[in-house]
Amino acid sequence: DAGITQSPRHKVTETGTPVTLRCHQTENHRYMYWYRQDPGHGLRLIHYSYGVKDTDKGEVSDGYSVSRSKTEDFLLTLESATSSQTSVYFCAISDGGGGTEAFFGQGTRLTVV
Amino acid sequence: DAKTTQPPSMDCAEGRAANLPCNHSTISGNEYVYWYRQIHSQGPQYIIHGLKNNETNEMASLIITEDRKSSTLILPHATLRDTAVYYCIVRAHDSWGKLQFGAGTQVVVTP
Repeated sequence: DAGITQSPRHKVTETGTPVTLRCHQTENHRYMYWYRQDPGHGLRLIHYSYGVKDTDKGEVSDGYSVSRSKTEDFLLTLESATSSQTSVYFCAISDGGGGTEAFFGQGTRLTVV
Repeated sequence: DAKTTQPPSMDCAEGRAANLPCNHSTISGNEYVYWYRQIHSQGPQYIIHGLKNNETNEMASLIITEDRKSSTLILPHATLRDTAVYYCIVRAHDSWGKLQFGAGTQVVVTP
């Protein structure tokens, strides 16, 4: 299995509090991604990174920010959590070379009460 | 990246082959076809990918039509553990930016 770890795996937080999710990789892959998945929906891209300090928005980026200060870590921050951000969050990594694949973490289940 | 179209769901009997279609009629010459699956509550898992030729690995076979406008993922002997959502996506080797997934096909393998 690809070396990708998400932390925490489960979290319950209150509305209005800041929350940071961490994705850590040991593969030295260039691309990292954050997705959310809700019942009845597929994977929706929040943000992605194509290098240290290089990030861009996905299709559902409102209310989220990201940072990547090191190749191995990609942080997702909810500045002020809302109940609509209750979801399962997945991180993925990819080398981005020809014919390569993306690898996914096991997910973080976030509940905002 | 080219769009893909998959049926929303399909059933398969245990032990039989499961053939999952994917349409990608606007695929470009440098785009690969990738298949992933997601078993309930787990992170998506890579299955197989191909460019032009048919491909086979320990999990599945990928058949790409000669015009590359469609492909079929074949699970040769489906088991109950193959019940999952299967995603077909197309990617160019130099466009790993916005990696986005569609709705996929929900495959249910029945005893």
